[in-house]
This record gives sequence, C-alpha cells and structure tokens, in this order.
Amino acid sequence: NAGVTQTPKFQVLKTGQSMTLQCAQDMNHEYMSWYRQDPGMGLRLIHYSVGAGITDQGEVPNGYNVSRSTTEDFPLRLLSAAPSQTSVYFCASSYRGEAFFGQGTRLTVV
Amino acid sequence: EDKVVQSPLSLVVHEGDTVTLNCSYEVTNFRSLLWYKQEKKAPTFLFMLTSSGIEKKSGRLSSILDKKELFSILNITATQTGDSAIYLCAVVRAGGNTPLVFGKGTRLSVIA
Repeated sequence: NAGVTQTPKFQVLKTGQSMTLQCAQDMNHEYMSWYRQDPGMGLRLIHYSVGAGITDQGEVPNGYNVSRSTTEDFPLRLLSAAPSQTSVYFCASSYRGEAFFGQGTRLTVV
Repeated sequence: EDKVVQSPLSLVVHEGDTVTLNCSYEVTNFRSLLWYKQEKKAPTFLFMLTSSGIEKKSGRLSSILDKKELFSILNITATQTGDSAIYLCAVVRAGGNTPLVFGKGTRLSVIA
C-alpha cells in the first residue's frame, strides 16, 4: 500500500515564486491535513480538510491555500513564496484520530 | 486555547539508561492521546491512549495516560542508539474530525 504520497521531497524557490505541494492518499480517509515543522516548534497545522469540498484553516494558514476536490488529493499551494516559509512540510491523513504521514517536503525559499 | 506541552524539550542519555518523557495537555473534549516517533523523516505511530491507567507496551517502550491529572508519560527502558529521535505527543479531540494538537516534541539523543 502506498499510504500517503507527498511530492516533491525537496524544493528550492525564489522569493515570490509559486508552487504546489502534492499529497495523495489511497486509504479512503476523509480527514487530511498539512503541517509545517520548524526547529523547536513541533508540528503546526496549516490547513485541514474533513472531506471532499471542505477545508478549514489551522494554526498558521497565512500564505497558503488548499483545495479538496477528491477524497484522495489535498494539494497545498504557495502563491508567493517568502523566506519565512522555509520549512519541512508534512501531509497527513487520519482515521479515528491516528495520523498517517507523508515523507515530507523540505522547502527552501531564497 | 488547547495546548499540549512536552518535557523535557531535549535529553541526552547513555545506552542502557531508562528515560521518561512527559506530555501534559489542556484540551477541550479530549478523546485520546497519541505518541509518535520521528527519526529523519515522517513521524511514525507508537501508541494511542484513551483510558486512564491502562499501560500500552511495545518492546522496551511503554506509555500510560492519567486523565485526571491530564498527562501521559512515555518510558523507554534499556535505551539504544536507535532510540534517538524526536518523540511527539498529540491529542485528539472528540466531536468527529478535528485536528490533532501536537506538542513541540522531545529530542532524545542516546549515546554509546
């Protein structure tokens, strides 16, 4: 089973560029979420979705957009990258509380 | 505001030592508490605790929840260098699909 597939693994962007982090899961989970992880900050929730067509903001949503057109996919968009968005990003899908994580994307904005 | 506080934030021990990691929480509508281990990549699931006083055990790792005092501990006995990782605690709230609330993690380093 693929579980949660997250791409790309690494990305370098210039300030002001846009990009989309892809996340797909094959477990038919309704709940999906995006986190960023910074040193000493733990995992902070960016956006989450409780099902297709439904999204909501987390703790640190500014600068990020999401959509959920299907149960499987939950892409995260950076419309105009800023150095403050340099971080490691994790996508997760959940079932009954237990989260299954993608392998992470290390994003550097220069 | 919901919060999960882990302590210590970092810890260095020698192989063979026993360690106890702490997680306290203040969360409305608590449902369960989860522990994850994160090495170089994504967090991996260790335990889910829902009931007070019932120890969950997996090899040298064990965990218990105290819903009255609002905390959980993760014990690791006879530590090995492979136990070096960040250990994350997260709380699940009741009421359907709600986000996990994560603590900042404890970075454990086990040295030979």
